[in-house]
Amino acid sequence: SQTIHQWPATLVQPVGSPLSLECTVEGTSNPNLYWYRQAAGRGLQLLFYSVGIGQISSEVPQNLSASRPQDRQFILSSKKLLLSDSGFYLCAWKHTDLYNEQFFGPGTRLTVL
Amino acid sequence: AQKVTQAQTEISVVEKEDVTLDCVYETRDTTYYLFWYKQPPSGELVFLIRRNSFDEQNEISGRYSWNFQKSTSSFNFTITASQVVDSAVYFCALSEARYSSASKIIFGSGTRLSIRP
Repeated sequence: SQTIHQWPATLVQPVGSPLSLECTVEGTSNPNLYWYRQAAGRGLQLLFYSVGIGQISSEVPQNLSASRPQDRQFILSSKKLLLSDSGFYLCAWKHTDLYNEQFFGPGTRLTVL
Repeated sequence: AQKVTQAQTEISVVEKEDVTLDCVYETRDTTYYLFWYKQPPSGELVFLIRRNSFDEQNEISGRYSWNFQKSTSSFNFTITASQVVDSAVYFCALSEARYSSASKIIFGSGTRLSIRP
């Protein structure tokens, strides 16, 4: 069976500091990978998606970036965090060719002070 | 353009009551998928169901049931005999069914369901 991991679970960072959130998937190969952000009490905003190693598509211009150095690893980064980057970050994966449902990780709660 | 509307921002019912969460969608695609996800207080989104646009049969899974009506572009979710553990935010979502390497999902804004003991 497939599992998806995210770490850290919670993070408190000062404004202007760098960020690195990691997501890994087990039990599947060549998945599509997604990063979402959810502000407090709000819906889901798709930030980035990837259909393969090194292939990143950005949905919303911002000071965040994503990378996919390995097939089942997806990293969300920032060089300098802003207060507005606070939120709940969710990673998701889906099978490349089967249906379209995405399966989500446990999320990372980021607070920028 | 695709859009999912969940008009009910918050619903609160007493335990054991039945509750229906509404979902209305817009799409120009002739084939598409519809989904429901549950987000409990822990935060992780849990996949509940996928429905193909060409299959309008209603589905029942235990206390959960889904009513898909293409004529009204609705995909409503009913919880029968609600329990406190059903308290969560529920998201309705839509995606295209044709092959697309991106396969993005459009989510509604969610309905926060509170079940009072």
